[in-house]
Amino acid sequence: KNEVEQSPQNLTAQEGEFITINCSYSVGISALHWLQQHPGGGIVSLFMLSSGKKKHGRLIATINIQEKHSSLHITASHPRDSAVYICAVPSNAGNNRKLIWGLGTSLAVNP
Amino acid sequence: EAGVVQSPRYKIIEKKQPVAFWCNPISGHNTLYWYRQNLGQGPELLIRYENEEAVDDSQLPKDRFSAERLKGVDSTLKIQPAELGDSAVYLCASSLGAGANEQFFGPGTRLTVL
Repeated sequence: KNEVEQSPQNLTAQEGEFITINCSYSVGISALHWLQQHPGGGIVSLFMLSSGKKKHGRLIATINIQEKHSSLHITASHPRDSAVYICAVPSNAGNNRKLIWGLGTSLAVNP
Repeated sequence: EAGVVQSPRYKIIEKKQPVAFWCNPISGHNTLYWYRQNLGQGPELLIRYENEEAVDDSQLPKDRFSAERLKGVDSTLKIQPAELGDSAVYLCASSLGAGANEQFFGPGTRLTVL
């Protein structure tokens, strides 16, 4: 079982739909990252949050530390939102400050 | 403010040839990361620098991979000689510090080894 699990793995939506991507983790964390990766490789950091909720444009991220769960919401989705969305948490195992990555959710928004 | 800069964006080489990737992190970010991402997988950390010191290179295949960050700013990652299995996207990221600090990623270098 992965320490960071995302669902769904793949998601297809129609333009304008409200989208939710979920992330559950099993390790203790101080913060959680949501990132976006477009075809071609570049990764963009969307949010880093440790509690509550953050909003940036049409993107909203929430986290429940007690339940070890975070969600990424996209309102009024658009084809340009099509990308892979990745949840990642820092691992403090030993002296290794690595990010533990989820496998990503591949989102396709159709016009 | 400029983001993380990487070059080249794409590189195609034949196996056994050397290749080098360059990264310029965000100004003021003392932590720099090199990741390798294979198709359909999440990024795998190769090496992390705190300033000019490599503090985590446990996943770096040291027989053929090397990295340096001589002045604690720019970094280069080298593969010599490249193998077919090295084909991947090589991502550089930087942050103000390690741990929970937000990492900012460059566009990556897509390497194809023929």
